[in-house]
Amino acid sequence: GQNIDQPTEMTATEGAIVQINCTYQTSGFNGLFWYQQHAGEAPTFLSYNVLDGLEEKGRFSSFLSRSKGYSYLLLKELQMKDSASYLCAVREGYGGGYNKLIFGAGTRLAVHP
Amino acid sequence: DSGVTQTPKHLITATGQRVTLRCSPRSGDLSVYWYQQSLDQGLQFLIQYYNGEERAKGNILERFSAQQFPDLHSELNLSSLELGDSALYFCASSERGHNEQFFGPGTRLTVL
Repeated sequence: GQNIDQPTEMTATEGAIVQINCTYQTSGFNGLFWYQQHAGEAPTFLSYNVLDGLEEKGRFSSFLSRSKGYSYLLLKELQMKDSASYLCAVREGYGGGYNKLIFGAGTRLAVHP
Repeated sequence: DSGVTQTPKHLITATGQRVTLRCSPRSGDLSVYWYQQSLDQGLQFLIQYYNGEERAKGNILERFSAQQFPDLHSELNLSSLELGDSALYFCASSERGHNEQFFGPGTRLTVL
């Protein structure tokens, strides 16, 4: 089966750091993605991990531990515009161009002054 | 702007009707994906096409079908519509089958 868990909601203060966790149980794991989605808009790509470790990209970092089925997204120097939903997605890949993303329900982050 | 276009932006129709949603991928992208996002279910993968051929399938209802044409645009057909089909339908594309996916702005379908 496939199961992806993330907290439903989080709040944080402008300028602070927040960590959004994601745990997963899927078959055929072939990478983990984080997307940001503002209400009513399209998801936009933030990061991708396929090997264990930390990937840093400006104010955003993402970590993966495949043995633990665990990832987190770290947002630093929070800004009001970071208020959005953050979607964790696991890719099932079996080759031949097969590329199915299973999304978690998303974490709604509210950044306040 | 991701480069993926979807039409129409909004669609209002009645139960029992049939609609077609259209997607044009980013230039050069061979893979197209369709997703459904409703308030209570999050983003659900429906189907993937790669260079005209079906590649991966999610929990797509039998009332729904899709295809990818030689010019790589794709259409999602929804028939015998029910109230529960009201949702945002997103199309995404990627260069190949394994790269990050870029999402279009979505089509908001309302079934009355």
